[in-house]
Amino acid sequence: EAGVVQSPRYKIIEKKQPVAFWCNPISGHNTLYWYLQNLGQGPELLIRYENEEAVDDSQLPKDRFSAERLKGVDSTLKIQPAELGDSAVYLCASSFNENTEAFFGQGTRLTVV
Amino acid sequence: QQQVKQSPQSLIVQKGGISIINCAYENTAFDYFPWYQQFPGKGPALLIAIRPDVSEKKEGRFTISFNKSAKQFSLHIMDSQPGDSATYFCAASSLGAQKLVFGQGTRLTINP
Repeated sequence: EAGVVQSPRYKIIEKKQPVAFWCNPISGHNTLYWYLQNLGQGPELLIRYENEEAVDDSQLPKDRFSAERLKGVDSTLKIQPAELGDSAVYLCASSFNENTEAFFGQGTRLTVV
Repeated sequence: QQQVKQSPQSLIVQKGGISIINCAYENTAFDYFPWYQQFPGKGPALLIAIRPDVSEKKEGRFTISFNKSAKQFSLHIMDSQPGDSATYFCAASSLGAQKLVFGQGTRLTINP
């Protein structure tokens, strides 16, 4: 069974440019999470979806970050415009429901220069 | 607000030794305590998890000890192997995996 798939694996952009990350969760998983992991730190939740509904986006900086999960499967996280401080690893995770374990993808490492 | 504190930041253990990583939490509503293992360039992978109705859970060489009154839990790796070298994160959440709050991580190195 395929795990959580994220792309791209690496992305380098100039500040003020837009960037998007894509996540394909494990088949059948209704809950999808986006986490931010700064270097040397634990992941921090940005947003959680139950199917296509964003049920917890309290930690998402909405002035520049946006996310969507059309049809309740794949998800896209966007930053526009990117800032130097956005350099980090962006992790996607999924679970069967909100009460089962979460499986993480390999992440997208973003470098803003 | 830092809700899960993890120590030590880094740990070096000899092959065959016992690795111990500790975590403390503040939110008494937490009822799910997983440990994740992360290798460089990879996402965190669930290693073992415990709920507060038991004080200990063992899976192979990995054991979680849980002290509800002290609001602390720890990971013990018995017979540590070089392949265990990785960063370990404790985490906590309420209502299952809804919103995991992670500790800062421990970089474990097992010397051969």
